[in-house]
Amino acid sequence: EADIYQTPRYLVIGTGKKITLECSQTMGHDKMYWYQQDPGMELHLIHYSYGVNSTEKGDLSSESTVSRIRTEHFPLTLESARPSHTSQYLCASSEFEGAVSLYFGPGTRLTVL
Amino acid sequence: TQLLEQSPQFLSIQEGENLTVYCNSSSVFSSLQWYRQEPGEGPVLLVTVVTGGEVKKLKRLTFQFGDARKDSSLHITAAQPGDTGLYLCAGAGSGGGADGLTFGKGTHLIIQP
Repeated sequence: EADIYQTPRYLVIGTGKKITLECSQTMGHDKMYWYQQDPGMELHLIHYSYGVNSTEKGDLSSESTVSRIRTEHFPLTLESARPSHTSQYLCASSEFEGAVSLYFGPGTRLTVL
Repeated sequence: TQLLEQSPQFLSIQEGENLTVYCNSSSVFSSLQWYRQEPGEGPVLLVTVVTGGEVKKLKRLTFQFGDARKDSSLHITAAQPGDTGLYLCAGAGSGGGADGLTFGKGTHLIIQP
């Protein structure tokens, strides 16, 4: 069955560390997204991609970066993690047929001490 | 900036009761979607509504898109404990959502046996 994967599921790190959150999908979708989710708040779009070699910034100002070298892979990198980066990070992909339908991964719960 | 207001924020009812949750905005959306999210997992798409006034049924769940495409409702008949979760609505702008969806804060629904 086609799916979308995120690793790690949970990560606890110290301030200043560089981290990469992995996201892979097997559905061949061109469009991929990273959302940030905090309790009681809306999901906020931080990055998205229309396809290979395409990356765009979302609504939420973010100190992270993304890359899209392969269709199936859309990693997110924090060069220097801070406690304010503590959050749930959700990756999603979509095929577009008039209206976007998002398929989400299980998320990465990041805690920066 | 497009905003989606969901109400109520929290709802706890007994098994077998009916309920309706709402998603409202002052903005027009090209489509609107409902997702359900369980703890520790990513949101799962339930339905997409595209046409103003559209009604879609998914077993005991009935979704309606407002005539002006600014609001939507989700009605659950004879709620069951398995319906427990966070219900999120998300709207797509004029581009169909390829550049990301706008999410509401969600309704936390608890169905007690």
